[in-house]
Amino acid sequence: EVQLVESGGGLVQPGRSLRLSCAASGFTFDDYAMHWVRQAPGKGLEWVSGISWNSGSIGYADSVKGRFTISRDNAKNSLYLQMNSLRAEDTALYYCAKGDAPLLISGYDYWGQGTLVTVSS
Amino acid sequence: EIVLTQSPGTLSLSPGERATLSCRASQSVSSSYLAWYQQKPGQAPRLLIYGASSRATGIPDRFSGSGSGTDFTLTISRLEPEDFAVYYCQQYGSSPPNTFGQGTKLEIK
Repeated sequence: EVQLVESGGGLVQPGRSLRLSCAASGFTFDDYAMHWVRQAPGKGLEWVSGISWNSGSIGYADSVKGRFTISRDNAKNSLYLQMNSLRAEDTALYYCAKGDAPLLISGYDYWGQGTLVTVSS
Repeated sequence: EIVLTQSPGTLSLSPGERATLSCRASQSVSSSYLAWYQQKPGQAPRLLIYGASSRATGIPDRFSGSGSGTDFTLTISRLEPEDFAVYYCQQYGSSPPNTFGQGTKLEIK
């Protein structure tokens, strides 16, 4: 059974940093791209960042480019999102999602339950 | 960036009726890299359709996807009570970024 478990969310002040993690199991992690997708309270889905199977291809939404860094550790079956210079508009539920292919051009066939990030003073 | 516009914003129907949801792209979506997701309150999204018309694993055959280029449709042939939810389309043919539509809320009439 595929499982994606996010952690690392919480309340943080504007301008501070936070690191999200996603622990994956139930599939061959290094065969697939992985993504972060967020959802602000009461709003729709927004793709944040994606990373290919071997970290060779990485992409970011314009809204987070230069502030967020995605990475993965295939030996640990884990995905990460380092979030710096956080803003109030980054407040959202952050989902880890498995791509259905090795590259960034992929739909998302499994999702975690999300970790909530609240940016507020 | 490809912008996806979903219509209608809200669709009110009764169980047993047919639902037709639209997703229009601001430019052509490469190789029909278009997906549909269902999201119920308090839950993560679930993949329904990928490649514009292929059903994901375990998705009932009352769900079907069609379209190409800039116009795509999700059809639910006979609504079941558990189908009332928010539906999102997503394009993943131009990366980055992968973009989502704003969603269509399917509610019980």
